[in-house]
Amino acid sequence: AQTVTQSQPEMSVQEAETVTLSCTYDTSENNYYLFWYKQPPSRQMILVIRQEAYKQQNATENRFSVNFQKAAKSFSLKISDSQLGDTAMYFCAFSNAGNMLTFGGGTRLMVKP
Amino acid sequence: NAGVTQTPKFQVLKTGQSMTLQCAQDMNHEYMSWYRQDPGMGLRLIHYSVGAGITDQGEVPNGYNVSRSTTEDFPLRLLSAAPSQTSVYFCASSTRESTEAFFGQGTRLTVV
Repeated sequence: AQTVTQSQPEMSVQEAETVTLSCTYDTSENNYYLFWYKQPPSRQMILVIRQEAYKQQNATENRFSVNFQKAAKSFSLKISDSQLGDTAMYFCAFSNAGNMLTFGGGTRLMVKP
Repeated sequence: NAGVTQTPKFQVLKTGQSMTLQCAQDMNHEYMSWYRQDPGMGLRLIHYSVGAGITDQGEVPNGYNVSRSTTEDFPLRLLSAAPSQTSVYFCASSTRESTEAFFGQGTRLTVV
């Protein structure tokens, strides 16, 4: 069974600054996918970024990028130029089969003006 | 473009009552799944389906039943509601080839 751990229950950052959210996971699989989901107060689950484990290059989507360390089983999310609209819960998730996801406990991010 | 539609959005049940949470997707996705979200615990997989007629249990299946008679629909049944089932429930779907799951807007269920 897989486990996903997010060690930062809450974080805050000033608008326009950079913040990094941490995630570690445990698996015996070699091929898998990792995701970061954003959940704003509307509670909609929004995919932020995904990483295929077989790709060494870190994924990037505009202001969002990841630092994927496969050997260390670490998958952190960096948000650059933070905006007020980035305020949300962020969930790290693991999948090795279709859309059956294992989620971490989440990090609540507050962007301050 | 509806995507994944869950009904109802909110529901209050009395202990012992039964109900069905509805989930429908219009994207012809093979995979569908149900999660529950409790405070501080993230989302946990209840049941999932890889196609019509095929279902399997996830991490927390007790107290819930599912069926998949069509590709589009994947209802979640609570047989006898308990206060421990108070939670937010999410339905998700994806294709066999894609790694991206599309989520419904969730159902907030309170059992009193």
